[in-house]
Amino acid sequence: DTGVSQNPRHKITKRGQNVTFRCDPISEHNRLYWYRQTLGQGPEFLTYFQNEAQLEKSRLLSDRFSAERPKGSFSTLEIQRTEQGDSAMYLCASRDNYGYTFGSGTRLTVV
Amino acid sequence: AQTVTQSQPEMSVQEAETVTLSCTYDTSESDYYLFWYKQPPSRQMILVIRQEAYKQQNATENRFSVNFQKAAKSFSLKISDSQLGDAAMYFCAYRRKEYGNKLVFGAGTILRVKS
Repeated sequence: DTGVSQNPRHKITKRGQNVTFRCDPISEHNRLYWYRQTLGQGPEFLTYFQNEAQLEKSRLLSDRFSAERPKGSFSTLEIQRTEQGDSAMYLCASRDNYGYTFGSGTRLTVV
Repeated sequence: AQTVTQSQPEMSVQEAETVTLSCTYDTSESDYYLFWYKQPPSRQMILVIRQEAYKQQNATENRFSVNFQKAAKSFSLKISDSQLGDAAMYFCAYRRKEYGNKLVFGAGTILRVKS
């Protein structure tokens, strides 16, 4: 297990299309987080899972966004009816008792 | 709600010199964690250093050290003997200790290292 893996690395989509991103955390980490980072800004929290349970959701996570973590392993983040304002880097992180390990992110561009 | 402020959008340092990045935060909690993360261009974010609020001693990791002033809610990062590989975006972040499940980040400081 070499770290947190995110796929795809880049996604270009047309406005109105649906997109889905995947995150594979470090296998020993039961906590998984999604953040969104726009250019020149710090990451903003979107949602958090402990095992398969989604325990917290940000107000940033509109009803067009949904996240799942079946069986407490990998997680998916889906955005429906994408808008240009959804263009950002989507970061996934998993955590143990010491700290967080971040993935390299999925950069979404909505055209 | 907790907030983290990084007032320096960009800093420059000469190779081998020392630079300090500033961070202030706002919280009503008494126990929490503070972090500095480094994000090189197009690469993943990595932990530089972490501080537990109840510990008075400032954390150090090799060339990286912090100046944690709890009463002032200040948490600055000092990088000594700067190297070209230190060039990156640096984020200060906060996490509550109890029921603390998310990091709250500042807007970041771009650090440029001149050879």
